[in-house]
Amino acid sequence: QITLKESGPTLVRPTQTLTLTCTFSGFSLSTSGEAVGWIRQPPGKALQWLALIYWRDDKRYSPSLKNRLTITKDTSKNQVVLIMTNMDPIDTATYFCAHKRCSGGSCYYTFDFWGQGTMVTVSS
Amino acid sequence: QSALTQPASVSGSPGQSITISCTGTNSDAGAYIYVSWYQQHPGKAPKLMIYDVDNRPSGVSNRFSGSKSGSTASLTISGLQAEDEGVYFCSSYTSSSTWVFGGGTKVTVL
Repeated sequence: QITLKESGPTLVRPTQTLTLTCTFSGFSLSTSGEAVGWIRQPPGKALQWLALIYWRDDKRYSPSLKNRLTITKDTSKNQVVLIMTNMDPIDTATYFCAHKRCSGGSCYYTFDFWGQGTMVTVSS
Repeated sequence: QSALTQPASVSGSPGQSITISCTGTNSDAGAYIYVSWYQQHPGKAPKLMIYDVDNRPSGVSNRFSGSKSGSTASLTISGLQAEDEGVYFCSSYTSSSTWVFGGGTKVTVL
């Protein structure tokens, strides 16, 4: 059973740095093929893919946000951390982490398990 | 990269079939089979319904099916039920090794 849970501040000030942690269970990021991604959703709006980290520490970022994002992993703690700098009110959103599907030795370009999400408000 | 294009809303009566389109480019949906569909209910996380254009994860009803022609993918819901109401998002892997989502389609069961 794969589960993921996001944690972090609910309120950040403009220009501050946001640090979010995804704590997961049911798989290991030291296993070949495994990966965890971050996706956000402003209130009432669409999903936006942000970043992803693979078991081999390969990282991918949204082209529009790559200058502000850093994704890291701590395999021993089963955690993935997303850092977003220079926060702005437009970054107000629910932030989700999600497991990139790997099943039966095959991996796919989709997200099969999601955390419940954590709402982050950017306001002074 | 621009978001995939979806209609804002689609509606149907119980028992009917509806289809949601998702249009991308030659850099995403047109280049790969890696198109997924997610269902989202208010206040909940998205749920994977279809991956690789037309594959259903275990536990997803066979009333949900997917297809793709060129750069446009489609999700069809057959035998529409009240529980199918929600917002549906498509997603595609891209040639930049990233992902892009659609704007979402609100499904209403009349």
